[in-house]
Amino acid sequence: GESVGLHLPTLSVQEGDNSIINCAYSNSASDYFIWYKQESGKGPQFIIDIRSNMDKRQGQRVTVLLNKTVKHLSLQIAATQPGDSAVYFCAENMRPGAGSYQLTFGKGTKLSVIP
Amino acid sequence: KAGVTQTPRYLIKTRGQQVTLSCSPISGHRSVSWYQQTPGQGLQFLFEYFSETQRNKGNFPGRFSGRQFSNSRSEMNVSTLELGDSALYLCASSSGTQGANVLTFGAGSRLTVL
Repeated sequence: GESVGLHLPTLSVQEGDNSIINCAYSNSASDYFIWYKQESGKGPQFIIDIRSNMDKRQGQRVTVLLNKTVKHLSLQIAATQPGDSAVYFCAENMRPGAGSYQLTFGKGTKLSVIP
Repeated sequence: KAGVTQTPRYLIKTRGQQVTLSCSPISGHRSVSWYQQTPGQGLQFLFEYFSETQRNKGNFPGRFSGRQFSNSRSEMNVSTLELGDSALYLCASSSGTQGANVLTFGAGSRLTVL
């Protein structure tokens, strides 16, 4: 069915280490993928996005990799900091139309950073 | 630049009542989307409005409805509330047009149905 799932529901990393959060998606027609971070009591906050015509995109301390062959998405966070502790969601856009979003979210991965 | 503003932030209702939630998008954004977040189902798409028209709709019963005003502000309404409607309702806005634009979320309205 149309769903986005996560391989690891929880992830604990040591401060300063790199974090990798994985996501599997099932709809090959999705053209746009986004990673969001949600802290307690807040709405999801945009981290980074990638379009289906790309394999990799880098931001500040974050990198998103897209493997369309196996329908896999990953978020890499370099030098993880305590402020990175949150729940991370991947989301795919089901291509409902130009400029339109209809996101399907994964269940989320809780990242805990150990000081 | 102000972000997406949702009101009220918290509310408690009883079964059978109805509720209206409000969302003010980022200035200049014409698209407003609504999502429901629950521990069991996660984040689920409700509907999207663009220029006062519903452009997309998720798989929710007719008790869930929405509208958008000419100033792009949006409201969603849930009638005949059920216990299962307890959730965080999130509003998000974007420019709504093709091109690089990010979907930005508000802090949400937490609804508790007793």
